[in-house]
Amino acid sequence: DADVTQTPRNRITKTGKRIMLECSQTKGHDRMYWYRQDPGLGLRLIYYSFDVKDINKGEISDGYSVSRQAQAKFSLSLESAIPNQTALYFCATSGPGAVGTQYFGPGTRLTVL
Amino acid sequence: QKEVEQDPGPLSVPEGAIVSLNCTYSNSAFQYFMWYRQYSRKGPELLMYTYSSGNKEDGRFTAQVDKSSKYISLFIRDSQPSDSATYLCAMSPKAAGNKLTFGGGTRVLVKP
Repeated sequence: DADVTQTPRNRITKTGKRIMLECSQTKGHDRMYWYRQDPGLGLRLIYYSFDVKDINKGEISDGYSVSRQAQAKFSLSLESAIPNQTALYFCATSGPGAVGTQYFGPGTRLTVL
Repeated sequence: QKEVEQDPGPLSVPEGAIVSLNCTYSNSAFQYFMWYRQYSRKGPELLMYTYSSGNKEDGRFTAQVDKSSKYISLFIRDSQPSDSATYLCAMSPKAAGNKLTFGGGTRVLVKP
């Protein structure tokens, strides 16, 4: 089984809908991240969490919120989806001793119509 | 201007050729430099990392960092069709899973 899983893998939704993307990990890592990927822009950090009680905004947090339900679970919500939130979303984890070694999930392809 | 610049490609090479990839950056605080490989419809996976300036070699892959020029490179020797992927550089000001700043990625195609 994969160490970092994301659900759903694909989602099509309409403008104004609230949606949640979920991430689970079995690596035992404390640190978790949410990124979005757009063509030519690489990965941009939305939110990150260094433990269950720690949530931090990344560079593009507007329009998003997160919940760290447990060490292994980190969810990303779009409160009112808009078309420019159409993108690939990745969850990642890292341990405290790893130098930049972030382990990524398979991604969720989100389309907002 | 982005903090990390990377040519998007695509970079097309024949099998067996050397692939040369690079990134430039503007933030002098970056200390850790990584290269991630991303296959189509997959998440990125760490390929190599280096600390500060210098070279690092791992099999067919060599990573170079020139902090004075704010320039990093990745070379792939004896390229194979299986090396066809998008390569992303990433940088961090300190270790232990700190926030990474990614380049936009370079798509590489290795033709048999």
